[in-house]
Amino acid sequence: DADVTQTPRNRITKTGKRIMLECSQTKGHDRMYWYRQDPGLGLRLIYYSFDVKDINKGEISDGYSVSRQAQAKFSLSLESAIPNQTALYFCATSLGQWYYNEQFFGPGTRLTVL
Amino acid sequence: KNEVEQSPQNLTAQEGEFITINCSYSVGISALHWLQQHPGGGIVSLFMLSSGKKKHGRLIATINIQEKHSSLHITASHPRDSAVYICAGLNYGGSQGNLIFGKGTKLSVKP
Repeated sequence: DADVTQTPRNRITKTGKRIMLECSQTKGHDRMYWYRQDPGLGLRLIYYSFDVKDINKGEISDGYSVSRQAQAKFSLSLESAIPNQTALYFCATSLGQWYYNEQFFGPGTRLTVL
Repeated sequence: KNEVEQSPQNLTAQEGEFITINCSYSVGISALHWLQQHPGGGIVSLFMLSSGKKKHGRLIATINIQEKHSSLHITASHPRDSAVYICAGLNYGGSQGNLIFGKGTKLSVKP
């Protein structure tokens, strides 16, 4: 079984719709991250969480919100989706050793906003 | 500003060739993370290193702290090595260990 899972794997939605992407992990890591990947731009950090009570904005948080429901679950929401949020979204986890932050990625969610 | 630059952007090789992908980074980055992204999109962690060299199978990663440069080598390349290779710098400073990503090197190994 995969250590980091994401649901859904693919989603097509319409402009203005609310959508939630979910991430679960069985690695026991306390840190979780949401990234988006666009062609030619690489991975960019949306939000990160160091534990259930600690959530931080990343480089491109506008238009997104997150919820850390438990140590193992971290959800990303698009309150009102827009076409330029079409991208590949990744969740990642790491241990709480900030000086050795090897991250482990989920399989990704391909989101298309029409 | 912390930055990570990769080269080349695209690389085509024949099966069996020795491959090198380079990563240069700026001040403030104290370790490098090498990742592999498969054609289907999944991302796998290959190495994390802050000094010297690490080896796993046919993959070797090196880092030179003074020159702010890291390389990923693939020996006896195979078509299954075709993927995008991403280096990411670990910033020990204000971002408490968050990664700064390069844009990736797309490798294609022909049989």
